[in-house]
Amino acid sequence: EDQVTQSPEALRLQEGESSSLNCSYTVSGLRGLFWYRQDPGKGPEFLFTLYSAGEEKEKERLKATLTKKESFLHITAPKPEDSATYLCVGGTSYGKLTFGQGTILTVHP
Amino acid sequence: SAVISQKPSRDICQRGTSLTIQCQVDSQVTMMFWYRQQPGQSLTLIATANQGSEATYESGFVIDKFPISRPNLTFSTLTVSNMSPEDSSIYLCSVEDPGYPADTQYFGPGTRLTVL
Repeated sequence: EDQVTQSPEALRLQEGESSSLNCSYTVSGLRGLFWYRQDPGKGPEFLFTLYSAGEEKEKERLKATLTKKESFLHITAPKPEDSATYLCVGGTSYGKLTFGQGTILTVHP
Repeated sequence: SAVISQKPSRDICQRGTSLTIQCQVDSQVTMMFWYRQQPGQSLTLIATANQGSEATYESGFVIDKFPISRPNLTFSTLTVSNMSPEDSSIYLCSVEDPGYPADTQYFGPGTRLTVL
């Protein structure tokens, strides 16, 4: 059975305190590993797609990396506006997505 | 990426009634998806809707409860029928942007449904 596991479930940081979110995946026929940001009561906002081990993508204070079994979302010098739930999602053919439970990030000023 | 809107953004309904949620995309797309996100949970796929064919439902979801229409390549509706408090959730539509080697899904803003 396909599975995506994110850790920690919740992470509290001080503004400027860098950290990483972890995503372990077991997805048969994985074609892409996606990261989304979701604010409370809103739909997920697309951040990155990673296709192959060793790939890295960056956007502002976020950098996503991929290995054969894990993905990491590194947050450098976070700001309070980075507070959100971050979803790791495995994608296969025909629109099938396997969602992690998400990491709730809170950044305190 | 496609711009997706949903109506209504939120609603409070009485048990036993039905609600139809609309999803509009600013470009033509082949595949549209409907998801449910229960409180504190991640997203669960309800069904896949292709224009011109019957929607394909995931295990645990049936057409009588969640009828879907897909009249054209930019629009779809999801109806939540005979609602109960257990149907209180955020309902999201998404569209697929074809890519290689993986297609990317973009999500609408969601419809927050509360059933009393």
